[in-house]
Amino acid sequence: GAVVSQHPSRVICKSGTSVKIECRSLDFQATTMFWYRQFPKKSLMLMATSNEGSKATYEQGVEKDKFLINHASLTLSTLTVTSAHPEDSSFYICSARQGQGFRQPQHFGDGTRLSIL
Amino acid sequence: AQTVTQSQPEMSVQEAETVTLSCTYDTSESDYYLFWYKQPPSRQMILVIRQEAYKQQNATENRFSVNFQKAAKSFSLKISDSQLGDAAMYFCAYRRRSGGSNYKLTFGKGTLLTVNP
Repeated sequence: GAVVSQHPSRVICKSGTSVKIECRSLDFQATTMFWYRQFPKKSLMLMATSNEGSKATYEQGVEKDKFLINHASLTLSTLTVTSAHPEDSSFYICSARQGQGFRQPQHFGDGTRLSIL
Repeated sequence: AQTVTQSQPEMSVQEAETVTLSCTYDTSESDYYLFWYKQPPSRQMILVIRQEAYKQQNATENRFSVNFQKAAKSFSLKISDSQLGDAAMYFCAYRRRSGGSNYKLTFGKGTLLTVNP
């Protein structure tokens, strides 16, 4: 079945560091990728939607200059948390949809746990 | 705006017994998808089952089945013959057809299922 690979799975870094998270669709072309944030024991909050070759669409309240999203190819999207601070610590999950149709499935990566000291 | 409500933050079931997780949603759309996702401690989101709104027949996947009541906007998940591996956070999710081609998912807050041996 379709696989979405997310890397790294865990990051611990100092405050002020920028962190890049990669999301790859391994065996399908992902026209659309989604980035979510999840706090402990909470639901997934959609941060942004990215379409290959276009600027990402951010949800209300998400700082686009803080969370940079690049979707340069049909198999790779990256999320960069710029100048990360402790409040950015969270679990980040990417998801990729296979194809453009409404009925196309959406596959999730394993997530990245980001801890900012 | 579409909302998804899971009224049971936590549920428990004895191994081999049956449990039902509740989900209600609010929408004015007629064509949409409903999903149940499972998130075990490993944190990867796994699709359990999905239901197309225009299909009256309830979806089933082995031990998992849904009770889809479109008029009542209810979408409950029944797990039969519960196994220890079913222990996880379960999220109900909704995807609408209108509003652009990104077809974003809206998640409920989740139900933490414990399976007792």
